Amino acid sequence: SQTIHQWPATLVQPVGSPLSLECTVEGTSNPNLYWYRQAAGRGLQLLFYSVGIGQISSEVPQNLSASRPQDRQFILSSKKLLLSDSGFYLCAWSPGTGTGELFFGEGSRLTVL
Amino acid sequence: AQRVTQPEKLLSVFKGAPVELKCNYSYSGSPELFWYVQYSRQRLQLLLRHISRESIKGFTADLNKGETSFHLKKPFAQEEDSAMYYCALSAYSGAGSYQLTFGKGTKLSVIP
Repeated sequence: SQTIHQWPATLVQPVGSPLSLECTVEGTSNPNLYWYRQAAGRGLQLLFYSVGIGQISSEVPQNLSASRPQDRQFILSSKKLLLSDSGFYLCAWSPGTGTGELFFGEGSRLTVL
Repeated sequence: AQRVTQPEKLLSVFKGAPVELKCNYSYSGSPELFWYVQYSRQRLQLLLRHISRESIKGFTADLNKGETSFHLKKPFAQEEDSAMYYCALSAYSGAGSYQLTFGKGTKLSVIP
């Protein structure tokens, strides 16, 4: 069966420090991969999605970037964190031929101080 | 561009009362709609999709294209239904991939 893991689960970072959140999927190949940010009262905001290695689409211009160095690995990064980057980040995958059902990771809570 | 609207941030109902979580959408194509649920300290997960037309945990949702709505309903609320509910619309984004656009979510609280 397929599983998705993301880490770390919680992270506290100072303003201006770098960020790396990692997500891996097991049990499937060539998945579509997504990074969302979940904020109270603002729902789920799609940040990045990827349909293949090295292919990244950005939905919202911001201080963050994403990379997909391997088929089942998706990384969310920042060179210098801002206070506004604090939030709950969710990684998700869907089958490459799927029509919309997403499978979510457990999330990473980032606090920028 | 597609849009999903959930007008209620919070909905409180008594146990045994009917529940209706509202969802309206805006999309120029043929929509595929979903309800996702997040229970306390659990992952966000799919509850149901309009294509399957099935009832999950007593919940149903009917796509009304005329009213562009996909409301989630349950005749008798249970305490374990308390959770965050998100309505989502799937849209083709090219290169064989689909994107989900989520509403802002409704927190359902069932009062014992």
